[in-house]
Amino acid sequence: EVQVVETGGGLIQPGGSLRLSCVASGFIVNRKYMNWVRQAPGKGLEWVSNIYAGGDTYYADSVKGRFTISRDTSRNTLYLQMNSLRAEDTAIYYCASSRGETYDERFFDSWGQGTLVTVSS
Amino acid sequence: EIVLTQSPGTLSLTPGERATLSCRASQSVTSRSLAWYQQKPGQAPRLLIYAASSRTTGIPDRFTGSGSGTDFTLTISRLEPEDFAVYYCQQYGGTPPWTFGQGTKVEIK
Repeated sequence: EVQVVETGGGLIQPGGSLRLSCVASGFIVNRKYMNWVRQAPGKGLEWVSNIYAGGDTYYADSVKGRFTISRDTSRNTLYLQMNSLRAEDTAIYYCASSRGETYDERFFDSWGQGTLVTVSS
Repeated sequence: EIVLTQSPGTLSLTPGERATLSCRASQSVTSRSLAWYQQKPGQAPRLLIYAASSRTTGIPDRFTGSGSGTDFTLTISRLEPEDFAVYYCQQYGGTPPWTFGQGTKVEIK
């Protein structure tokens, strides 16, 4: 069974750093497009970042230069390193994997339950 | 960046009625790379439709996706009690960012 589980959220002061993890089971993380999506309290979904099967990485303008996506194939885990955190980064962060590694399979097939990041003093 | 605009913001309907949700893109979506997700309170989003009109495994046939280019529609033919939720469209064509619409809430009238 394909599954992803996020951890690492918590309360952090503005300007601080946090690293989120997404452990995958039932598939290999470097064989899919792996994504981070966030949802601020009471708001809609916002795509944050992804890493292609081939290793290319992309970021939303709102996090570019502050967040870094990476993966560890030995741990089958996706990461999101978040630096210089702001109040507006407060959200539930979801890890989402694509159906496969081809162009036509890039939609978000499996989602974790999310981890809450709260940026506040 | 492709901006997706969903309408209406809220749809108030009764069980058994037909729901029609719209998603309009600011520019053409590559290769019909448009998905629809359902989200219920306290839950993660769930994939319903991909490639504009393909239902994913386990989604009932009362859910139908259609459209191409810049105009896409999700139709729920007869609303069941479990269908009341928020629905998001998302485009995943070309180079990221892969954007979401702002969502349409389908609520019980």
